Amino acid sequence: NAGVTQTPKFRVLKTGQSMTLLCAQDMNHEYMYWYRQDPGMGLRLIHYSVGEGTTAKGEVPDGYNVSRLKKQNFLLGLESAAPSQTSVYFCASSLVGQGVYEQYFGPGTRLTVT
Amino acid sequence: GQNIDQPTEMTATEGAIVQINCTYQTSGFNGLFWYQQHAGEAPTFLSYNVLDGLEEKGRFSSFLSRSKGYSYLLLKELQMKDSASYLCAVRSVTGGSYIPTFGRGTSLIVHP
Repeated sequence: NAGVTQTPKFRVLKTGQSMTLLCAQDMNHEYMYWYRQDPGMGLRLIHYSVGEGTTAKGEVPDGYNVSRLKKQNFLLGLESAAPSQTSVYFCASSLVGQGVYEQYFGPGTRLTVT
Repeated sequence: GQNIDQPTEMTATEGAIVQINCTYQTSGFNGLFWYQQHAGEAPTFLSYNVLDGLEEKGRFSSFLSRSKGYSYLLLKELQMKDSASYLCAVRSVTGGSYIPTFGRGTSLIVHP
């Protein structure tokens, strides 16, 4: 099992450019999440999905869009990148419910917007 | 909303014991997680508490008091490889969904 994978690992964008980050998981998890991590700020939830075809806003959704057309994939889009979106982006997935059901994280995408 | 507090940084000596605290305020509490994150890497799961008390896993233990909104992670027999950031995450039920919220993390530096 590959677990959670993210594409690309690094990217440099110019202000105003767009891009899509791809997250894939092979564990048949229902829940998927996108976080950004900035120094001193911890992990902040951008958007999440509780199942195929459903998405919801997290703590910091502005400037991002997401889609979950297939259960195993969760895409994060930046329509018009801004320097404030320079960050490390982590995707995660988990099972559903009240049990332990910890999150499994991808390796991260380091994005720089100039 | 949720409010999760952890110390920003802690230092400790190899072989010692260190306790990392996490306090939280939330509605719909449904479990507390601890994750470890080494520099430049993804977080990895360490422990989970949903009931009051202590959970022990080798050198790591985690404690929860729901009435006090308080948890701690205890690391014994510290090793240099334990130098990492430790993230506290509180899961709550929001609109039928089980969503974790993370604190800002505690950077632990272990020195010889």
